Amino acid sequence: SQTIHQWPATLVQPVGSPLSLECTVEGTSNPNLYWYRQAAGRGLQLLFYSVGIGQISSEVPQNLSASRPQDRQFILSSKKLLLSDSGFYLCAWGTGLTEQFFGPGTRLTVL
Amino acid sequence: GNSVTQMEGPVTLSEEAFLTINCTYTATGYPSLFWYVQYPGEGLQLLLKATKADDKGSNKGFEATYRKETTSFHLEKGSVQVSDSAVYFCALSSSDSSYKLIFGSGTRLLVRP
Repeated sequence: SQTIHQWPATLVQPVGSPLSLECTVEGTSNPNLYWYRQAAGRGLQLLFYSVGIGQISSEVPQNLSASRPQDRQFILSSKKLLLSDSGFYLCAWGTGLTEQFFGPGTRLTVL
Repeated sequence: GNSVTQMEGPVTLSEEAFLTINCTYTATGYPSLFWYVQYPGEGLQLLLKATKADDKGSNKGFEATYRKETTSFHLEKGSVQVSDSAVYFCALSSSDSSYKLIFGSGTRLLVRP
């Protein structure tokens, strides 16, 4: 069966520090991968998606970047965090015009 | 463009009450429709889905019917439990090659004993 992992589960970082969040998927090949952010008490905002290794599409201009160095690995990064980057970050995978499956999320607090 | 509109929350119900959470959508083509549930501090779990008009998705006592004529996908449950307290998201799948999901803003449900 397929599983999706995210780490770390929680992170507290100072403003201006770098960020690296990792997502890995097991049990499937060539998945579409997605990064979403959920601000406190709000809906989900799609940040990036990838349909293959090295292929990244950005949905909104911002302080973040994404990379997909391996088929089942998706990384979200920042060189310098802003207060507004705080939120709950969710990684998801899918295989087409069907549902997506979400990881457990990373709660990021920028102080 | 594609969009999803959900009823504003929070929705507060007593245990065993009937639940309806409204969801309407705007989309080109024939998207698949989904309901996801998020428990506190957790990721999203797929609750149910429907892939074509008149399909009924169901799971754990929840149901939703894909109504193309009214562009709706309302979530219903006949008798809610305290354990159903969560945030519910309606979503549709984009018909372009990204297959990204377009989410509604979410509806918080609070069930009191």
